[in-house]
Amino acid sequence: DTGVSQNPRHKITKRGQNVTFRCDPISEHNRLYWYRQTLGQGPEFLTYFQNEAQLEKSRLLSDRFSAERPKGSFSTLEIQRTEQGDSAMYLCASSTANTEAFFGQGTRLTVV
Amino acid sequence: AQSVTQLDSHVSVSEGTPVLLRCNYSSSYSPSLFWYVQHPNKGLQLLLKYTSAATLVKGINGFEAEFKKSETSFHLTKPSAHMSDAAEYFCVVSESGGSYIPTFGRGTSLIVHP
Repeated sequence: DTGVSQNPRHKITKRGQNVTFRCDPISEHNRLYWYRQTLGQGPEFLTYFQNEAQLEKSRLLSDRFSAERPKGSFSTLEIQRTEQGDSAMYLCASSTANTEAFFGQGTRLTVV
Repeated sequence: AQSVTQLDSHVSVSEGTPVLLRCNYSSSYSPSLFWYVQHPNKGLQLLLKYTSAATLVKGINGFEAEFKKSETSFHLTKPSAHMSDAAEYFCVVSESGGSYIPTFGRGTSLIVHP
């Protein structure tokens, strides 16, 4: 068990650029979650997948954000036309049904 | 709908004294409750979980929590704080009858003085 892996760990981008993050969940986990965490706050839910199906999206997930999980394995989160307000830690987690979630180390995004 | 309220944004204790981090929850279904810890520049680590078995739950590093349905509380305690306990702590709820998406509180920063 190698845990949840997120890449890259850090990303600095210019405002207006597109960025993509990758999450590799624990292999037998069918659920995958994306969260955003800003300084001094708890993680806020963005979206979740069960296998390859995206079952729920938060209103925080504007139309500039898109997430995919092809084949129900790894997932990507893309942010288009980044804004300074997108600067945050993006966390990925995985679980099996109705069990605790295991979190990756996160991708820290800085938009300059 | 589910939600979590962590009653203290910061808790400061001396090394060797007891720790109490308070959490109240709201849930329309039978809740599962968790405490996670986040050390600086580290990922979130599960401390303990309640999933409708024993109401007093023991976790790692000497932490425990008690589920009190009548008070809708799930407070985290430790008899004696250690310097290495200094971190951010998050109370989390998932609804067993709902989508089971973990919902986080805002966090409590535990400060441990020598």
